[in-house]
Parts: sequence; C-alpha cells; structure tokens
Amino acid sequence: EDKVVQSPLSLVVHEGDTVTLNCSYEVTNFRSLLWYKQEKKAPTFLFMLTSSGIEKKSGRLSSILDKKELFSILNITATQTGDSAIYLCAVFLNDYKLSFGAGTTVTVRA
Amino acid sequence: SQTIHQWPATLVQPVGSPLSLECTVEGTSNPNLYWYRQAAGRGLQLLFYSVGIGQISSEVPQNLSASRPQDRQFILSSKKLLLSDSGFYLCAWGLRGSRTGKAFFGQGTRLTVV
Repeated sequence: EDKVVQSPLSLVVHEGDTVTLNCSYEVTNFRSLLWYKQEKKAPTFLFMLTSSGIEKKSGRLSSILDKKELFSILNITATQTGDSAIYLCAVFLNDYKLSFGAGTTVTVRA
Repeated sequence: SQTIHQWPATLVQPVGSPLSLECTVEGTSNPNLYWYRQAAGRGLQLLFYSVGIGQISSEVPQNLSASRPQDRQFILSSKKLLLSDSGFYLCAWGLRGSRTGKAFFGQGTRLTVV
C-alpha cells in the first residue's frame, strides 16, 4: 500500500520564524513529488520535484527531495501571516495516481 | 487556457438522498481526472481517478461511485447518502501522459449530510 506521511500535523509560529515541513513516502513506481498550499478552497501548486538534491525556490519558499531516504522538506523563511494555510504533499505514481498526505496546518501569528 | 468547473459550491442533503456532483474541464483533451474528499482541516483522500472515458479506478470502498461519460466530464454519485459522506469534495485534472503529475483543482463542493 502506498503511503505519504507528513509531519508535523500542525504548528504555530510567529511572524519572522522559519518553518520546516516534512514529507516521507513509501510507494511503488515513484514519478514525482509535489507540494501544494491550501488556504480556503482549491489547493494551489507550489513545487514539483523529481530529482534528488536539487533545490527548488520561489521567494521565501524552498523545497528539496531525497530519493534515497524517500523524503522531501518544504522550508518557509521569514514567515508572514499570509503563509497560514494547509501545506499538502503528494506523490505521483506510474499508474497516474496522485496520492496526498494528511497535510500540515501552519498558523503564523502576528 | 485550461479551466475546471465544479458545482455546486455548497450542498445540504438529507440522509438517504441521492447525490450528483459534476466537474468539467475546458481547454484540454484526454485529461486525467480525480475526485478527492477532505475532512475538516485535513489532507486529501483520493476517492476515484480516471485516465479515459469509462475508465474509473476506485481507491476507497464506500458509498460513492464515479463516472466519466465524456472526455472532460467527471461525475461523483451516491444512491443513498450517509452522515459520514459529509465533507469537502474536490475535483482535479492533470495532463494525460504527464511525467510530473501536476494537477489543477476546482473550487470544491462542501457537502453536509443532515
């Protein structure tokens, strides 16, 4: 059975803090790993990772994949209240299934 | 450009009533289509996915079914709703043959079974 596990499930930080979110997976036929941000309704795409060790960056957000140890991390630096959201990790498999983890709820307090 | 439409946005249904949620995609052909359910404040549970017309893969045995009568139409149904069917339902699409799996989501339907 394919598994995608995110940790922590939730965390509360203050503005300016750095946040590190974890996603580990045990799947067959891995193709890619994706991160999404969900604020109200539709999740929005953040990053897609296929290769180990190559960091993807977008502003204050960055992510990296380790295919040997089967995990990814998402970092958010200098957090702002607008970063409050559920962050979702998903793994895309060879049979075109896209499986998500349980998500990490991040709350940034002013 | 591609767009995804999902309706209705909210729905309140009595226990035992039928359900039909519809999702359509515009601007692309042969998409992969997905139905997810999300419990309050939690991650996405994959319910069904489809790689072509009439091809439905079910991930979770349950009270729901899915159909894909046309290439860009995906329908989630139930004959008799249960209280446990309440939740936030999201439809998504991805490019056929994609190597990355990047999916695009509709705005969701919040279903409350009373």
